[in-house]
Amino acid sequence: DAKTTQPNSMESNEEEPVHLPCNHSTISGTDYIHWYRQLPSQGPEYVIHGLTSNVNNRMASLAIAEDRKSSTLILHRATLRDAAVYYCILRNSGGYQKVTFGTGTKLQVIP
Amino acid sequence: DAEITQSPRHKITETGRQVTLACHQTWNHNNMFWYRQDLGHGLRLIHYSYGVQDTNKGEVSDGYSVSRSNTEDLPLTLESAASSQTSVYFCASSNPRGGGDEQFFGPGTRLTVL
Repeated sequence: DAKTTQPNSMESNEEEPVHLPCNHSTISGTDYIHWYRQLPSQGPEYVIHGLTSNVNNRMASLAIAEDRKSSTLILHRATLRDAAVYYCILRNSGGYQKVTFGTGTKLQVIP
Repeated sequence: DAEITQSPRHKITETGRQVTLACHQTWNHNNMFWYRQDLGHGLRLIHYSYGVQDTNKGEVSDGYSVSRSNTEDLPLTLESAASSQTSVYFCASSNPRGGGDEQFFGPGTRLTVL
């Protein structure tokens, strides 16, 4: 699977929107973009995924660039519970051999 | 409710001992995975399985083995524990959906090898 690049950390004020970027310039046409988050002392939790079109669910929105070389996870109103490490990964339908979560972006939410 | 559980949650063992970490899911998922998480490395894939009797090596499989005798369980065995295997281990499962499958993770097992 192709590699992703994320900022190490970001800050946001509570109740404001948060835009978490992810670069994946070597993405292939069959790579899905997945986002997971990990709260302190817990296992990762699925957030959202997409292939080409923007996606929305109850947790977040995923905006995918037209060339698919970058994407942005949008939390519409950050809460203290959203403080976590956010991972952007690429998943190809061909297999899991090289799936890696990397080190992600640590989001701090300021009350 | 369906869930994925891991046991034990904490384990301390000595170098050279065999250790088995259990993972049990009631989602009836075909795919199961083991990851380890270390500071500075994120999560790295150890082994994965697409179904009963199927196992595959991940990025960091040396020193680990798995077996899949039923849908619900994928135990991870450290044949001869080493201090470098001190880590937090996460099990996950998913239903096959090409590249769009959502993985459900367990709570993790913190393993310390002295």
